[in-house]
Amino acid sequence: GNSVTQMEGPVTLSEEAFLTINCTYTATGYPSLFWYVQYPGEGLQLLLKATKADDKGSNKGFEATYRKETTSFHLEKGSVQVSDSAVYFCALITSGGYNKLIFGAGTRLAVHP
Amino acid sequence: GAGVSQSPSNKVTEKGKDVELRCDPISGHTALYWYRQSLGQGLEFLIYFQGNSAPDKSGLPSDRFSAERTGGSVSTLTIQRTQQEDSAVYLCASSLGSGGGLSTDTQYFGPGTRLTVL
Repeated sequence: GNSVTQMEGPVTLSEEAFLTINCTYTATGYPSLFWYVQYPGEGLQLLLKATKADDKGSNKGFEATYRKETTSFHLEKGSVQVSDSAVYFCALITSGGYNKLIFGAGTRLAVHP
Repeated sequence: GAGVSQSPSNKVTEKGKDVELRCDPISGHTALYWYRQSLGQGLEFLIYFQGNSAPDKSGLPSDRFSAERTGGSVSTLTIQRTQQEDSAVYLCASSLGSGGGLSTDTQYFGPGTRLTVL
């Protein structure tokens, strides 16, 4: 079946450190891939997305590249801030799946000054 | 309002009682989704509406769960005879909707309803 696997958290970093959160997927066909973020006390919001192989999604300094050969969509940021502390979810949508999101387990990021 | 709204924000109920959770999607969004977020199961899909129809109910965990949507807008998720394992945050999302095929329309999420079953 279709699934998403993320690295377990929590991830704890100092401000200005480099961030990588790994995400791999299993899917039939050619899925679209997403990163959602949930800030403390707030709802889920889309961070970035990529719809085909080799696409790079980017937003707020975060980037992720759709790698079909490794079935991965790792999230990266060159210099994290305290305000990036949140839970990050990798997700996919497959064709024929009525566009329902299939989520990974989430990775909690804590950035300290 | 401009975003997806849900009510109530918190609901505490006793085991065996019925509960209704409400979702108001963004105006003009034809697609509506319910998800559940729990410690043990993470974020999982429950049901999808396109207009008033629900072509995908595959995520509903049991026949105690049902949902409807009226006027292509408001949706209600009903849980009958609640059990402790139903405790979770229930999230609603809406998107513009294409009526079929692969769509990357952004799904906008509401703040959720936290359900606690004692």
